[in-house]
Amino acid sequence: SQTIHQWPATLVQPVGSPLSLECTVEGTSNPNLYWYRQAAGRGLQLLFYSVGIGQISSEVPQNLSASRPQDRQFILSSKKLLLSDSGFYLCAWRGPRDDPYNEQFFGPGTRLTVL
Amino acid sequence: AQRVTQPEKLLSVFKGAPVELKCNYSYSGSPELFWYVQYSRQRLQLLLRHISRESIKGFTADLNKGETSFHLKKPFAQEEDSAMYYCALGPRYNNAGNMLTFGGGTRLMVKP
Repeated sequence: SQTIHQWPATLVQPVGSPLSLECTVEGTSNPNLYWYRQAAGRGLQLLFYSVGIGQISSEVPQNLSASRPQDRQFILSSKKLLLSDSGFYLCAWRGPRDDPYNEQFFGPGTRLTVL
Repeated sequence: AQRVTQPEKLLSVFKGAPVELKCNYSYSGSPELFWYVQYSRQRLQLLLRHISRESIKGFTADLNKGETSFHLKKPFAQEEDSAMYYCALGPRYNNAGNMLTFGGGTRLMVKP
């Protein structure tokens, strides 16, 4: 069966420090991968998505970047964190484009606090 | 442009009362609508999708293309229904990233 992992679960970082959040998927090949931010009162915002290794699309301009070095690994990064980067970050996957089911499966999330 | 609106950020009802979580969407093509739920300390997970026309945990949702709505309903709320609910829109075709657009979410609180 497929599983999705995220780490760390929680992170407290000072303003201006770098960031690296990791997401890995098991039990599937060539998934579409997504990074979302869930901010209090603002719902779920799509940040990045990837349809394959090295292919990243950004949905909103921001202080963050994403990379997909391997088929089932998705990384969210920042060179210098801002206070506004605080939030709950969710990684999700779904099958490739020809998968008939449009369901996305979510990881447990990372709670990031920037001080 | 795609847009999903959930007008209520918080909905509070008593146990046994009917529940309706509203969702309206804006999309010019053929939509695929979903409801996702996030219980306390659990992952966000799919509750139901309109193409399945199913009832999950007593919840149903009917796609109304005329009103561009996909409201989530349950005749008798239970305390365990307390959670955050998100409505999501995914175009069925021509979507290379298979992206979903989520609404802002509604927190449902069911009081004893």
